[in-house]
Amino acid sequence: GNSVTQMEGPVTLSEEAFLTINCTYTATGYPSLFWYVQYPGEGLQLLLKATKADDKGSNKGFEATYRKETTSFHLEKGSVQVSDSAVYFCALSDPTDSWGKLQFGAGTQVVVTP
Amino acid sequence: NAGVTQTPKFQVLKTGQSMTLQCAQDMNHNSMYWYRQDPGMGLRLIYYSASEGTTDKGEVPNGYNVSRLNKREFSLRLESAAPSQTSVYFCASSTGQLDTQYFGPGTRLTVL
Repeated sequence: GNSVTQMEGPVTLSEEAFLTINCTYTATGYPSLFWYVQYPGEGLQLLLKATKADDKGSNKGFEATYRKETTSFHLEKGSVQVSDSAVYFCALSDPTDSWGKLQFGAGTQVVVTP
Repeated sequence: NAGVTQTPKFQVLKTGQSMTLQCAQDMNHNSMYWYRQDPGMGLRLIYYSASEGTTDKGEVPNGYNVSRLNKREFSLRLESAAPSQTSVYFCASSTGQLDTQYFGPGTRLTVL
């Protein structure tokens, strides 16, 4: 079956540092890939997505590129802020699944200190 | 525009009690979902509804039932709560297949 693996946290870094969160996936077909973010006490929000190989999703300074050859979708940001402190979830949706169910990774907590 | 709303925000139950978690969306979405979030396990799908009048089991359906009351509302019922059902429950909705899912703020449930 499909699965998503992402790096364990917490990831602690200083303001303006470079952030990378690794995400790899296993899927039988050609899934769509997503990054969701969960701020403290809130629900999940879509951060970015990519629907086919070599697509780059971007939003709020975050980027991720769909790499089919390495089955990866790593999230990056060049200069983080304290407000980026949150839990980040990588997820996939299998287009052969007619109901569009999301398969989530375990989540990576990011803590940015001033 | 409220998006996806959930009630209640917090709930404490004793083992064996029953309760219903409510979810409503005002985005005219066809598909709705219930997830549970547990530490270190991400979100796992409990049940989903592809359209009004249809429901289907997800990854962890045991101990739960759902009702798609109309296009807007999708409720999750615990008939006899167990401590293993202590979790944060999220409802989500989307237009359809592969579309962005929009999440509610969650319900934090504790079963003693």
